[in-house]
Amino acid sequence: KNQVEQSPQSLIILEGKNCTLQCNYTVSPFSNLRWYKQDTGRGPVSLTIMTFSENTKSNGRYTATLDADTKQSSLHITASQLSDSASYICVVNFGNEKLTFGTGTRLTIIP
Amino acid sequence: DAGVIQSPRHEVTEMGQEVTLRCKPISGHNSLFWYRQTMMRGLELLIYFNNNVPIDDSGMPEDRFSAKMPNASFSTLKIQPSEPRDSAVYFCASSWDGETGEQYFGPGTRLTVT
Repeated sequence: KNQVEQSPQSLIILEGKNCTLQCNYTVSPFSNLRWYKQDTGRGPVSLTIMTFSENTKSNGRYTATLDADTKQSSLHITASQLSDSASYICVVNFGNEKLTFGTGTRLTIIP
Repeated sequence: DAGVIQSPRHEVTEMGQEVTLRCKPISGHNSLFWYRQTMMRGLELLIYFNNNVPIDDSGMPEDRFSAKMPNASFSTLKIQPSEPRDSAVYFCASSWDGETGEQYFGPGTRLTVT
């Protein structure tokens, strides 16, 4: 069964600090991997989309990396802000028109 | 662009009642997705339309759930009869170029079945 696992489940950091969220997947074959940000009470918003041939992609203070050999991805947030408090969801597309979602990491930034 | 529009935003109903959720995708998008989100299971794809045609409904939990897309600008997800375990947030998303394209999510409908 194709699975996407994220860690940690939750994370609390001080404003201004950096953090890294992890995503491991067992999906094969692999089409693309996405990171979404979901604010409380709202729908997910796409941060990055990477194909298997890409190993890094940035979107402002967000940088996603991908190691297709080890089936691992990470999302690094630099100089965190209070507005970064949200759930971050890793999503893998294994090419048969169905996305597999991780259960997310709940990130809380405290002043 | 107003983005994906969903209605109602909140719905509270009693077990056994029919519930209809509505979605208006972003104009010009040719794919529409219905998702369900719960704390236990996270986001799950229920059904996916491409050019108004259902492509994959394997995520629809059971016959009580049905979805339609009569035209490119409107879709409904119906639950009949509703059960307490259907309580969740239901999201609609749309994209261009099927599932390989970036999906834009609506604000969701929070459904509570008592």
